Amino acid sequence: AQSVTQLDSQVPVFEEAPVELRCNYSSSVSVYLFWYVQYPNQGLQLLLKYLSGSTLVESINGFEAEFNKSQTSFHLRKPSVHISDTAEYFCAVNAGGTSYGKLTFGQGTILTVHP
Amino acid sequence: KAGVTQTPRYLIKTRGQQVTLSCSPISGHRSVSWYQQTPGQGLQFLFEYFSETQRNKGNFPGRFSGRQFSNSRSEMNVSTLELGDSALYLCASSLAGDSQETQYFGPGTRLLVL
Repeated sequence: AQSVTQLDSQVPVFEEAPVELRCNYSSSVSVYLFWYVQYPNQGLQLLLKYLSGSTLVESINGFEAEFNKSQTSFHLRKPSVHISDTAEYFCAVNAGGTSYGKLTFGQGTILTVHP
Repeated sequence: KAGVTQTPRYLIKTRGQQVTLSCSPISGHRSVSWYQQTPGQGLQFLFEYFSETQRNKGNFPGRFSGRQFSNSRSEMNVSTLELGDSALYLCASSLAGDSQETQYFGPGTRLLVL
């Protein structure tokens, strides 16, 4: 079975500062990795995902994540955050195979950007 | 293209009652997954349906059930409600439910059990 650990439940940061949200996973098989964002009173939206190939994946709004197989990590980073990035961020894995439609999520990290 | 829609958005029920939640996937998507989100347990997978068949199931009691119709719309039912069933229930759709696919989430149904 797979599991996901998000190491920080809350991350406060000032506007225009860099941020890293940490995610570690455990799985006995190769996995597909996702970062989702949830704004208040909304569903989840995909930020980015790693399937294969280059270990660095980027999103259209400046976030990036690096897949590190040896450390089983998929940390999310942004070099300069905005107030509008305030939200809860979830790391998730899918183990492939017969894991149809099943994402296993971490507990979430609340990112609060202060002016 | 319209997104995933869920109805109703809010529900208040009392213990022992049952409830049915509805999810309409993005047009062309045939896989629908359901998740329960609570402050204590986080996001947990309930089940997944594809072509009217349940292909995958999480660790929830039999009080939680679902179904999918020929137009890919899905419903989930919770019988004999308990206080602990209070949660945000999210559904997500994808083309075929394959592991690499992006799941698109609806806004959720917030259920409060009194």
